Amino acid sequence: DAGVIQSPRHEVTEMGQEVTLRCKPISGHNSLFWYRQTMMRGLELLIYFNNNVPIDDSGMPEDRFSAKMPNASFSTLKIQPSEPRDSAVYFCASRSGSYGELFFGEGSRLTVL
Amino acid sequence: DAKTTQPNSMESNEEEPVHLPCNHSTISGTDYIHWYRQLPSQGPEYVIHGLTSNVNNRMASLAIAEDRKSSTLILHRATLRDAAVYYCILRDNSGAGSYQLTFGKGTKLSVIP
Repeated sequence: DAGVIQSPRHEVTEMGQEVTLRCKPISGHNSLFWYRQTMMRGLELLIYFNNNVPIDDSGMPEDRFSAKMPNASFSTLKIQPSEPRDSAVYFCASRSGSYGELFFGEGSRLTVL
Repeated sequence: DAKTTQPNSMESNEEEPVHLPCNHSTISGTDYIHWYRQLPSQGPEYVIHGLTSNVNNRMASLAIAEDRKSSTLILHRATLRDAAVYYCILRDNSGAGSYQLTFGKGTKLSVIP
């Protein structure tokens, strides 16, 4: 089992540029989560998908952030335009069913200069 | 969501048992107690969970107080690879808001060789 796969692992970009983070959940998992981790705020849930449908995006910071899940094996988190305060590690996690354990990817470390 | 309280940090000597406490005085009857840990530069990983009875698995044991207002994660023999941030999380299984895990600050465990 390959686990949750995220790309890129590291991204350095300049303020104002578009950033796209990608996630491939574990095959057969029907729930997908995007989290953001910073020193100040810890791990925050940004958005949750169930069966490819966004269920709760109340954690998405603002309109600059958007997430899609076009099929069961792929999701993207896009930031446009990016700002220095978006610098963080972004984690994707997937789960089978409503009560199973979460499996996290290794994260995408974003630095916005 | 009911909240948890954990010490910010703890130290343990290698090959000794570690008891990581968690207080959750406002826990409800449908809340499961979950533990995750995050090794340096990795995503969180599931450790163990329980409802009322003590639980054991290959990674750890979970001791739950009779009134369920507190619990303790027990690592029977700490190794250097157990140095991580340990999160105690309450998960509502009633069907309302049960899809997400809300991470707190956790306890940073240092293991001394």
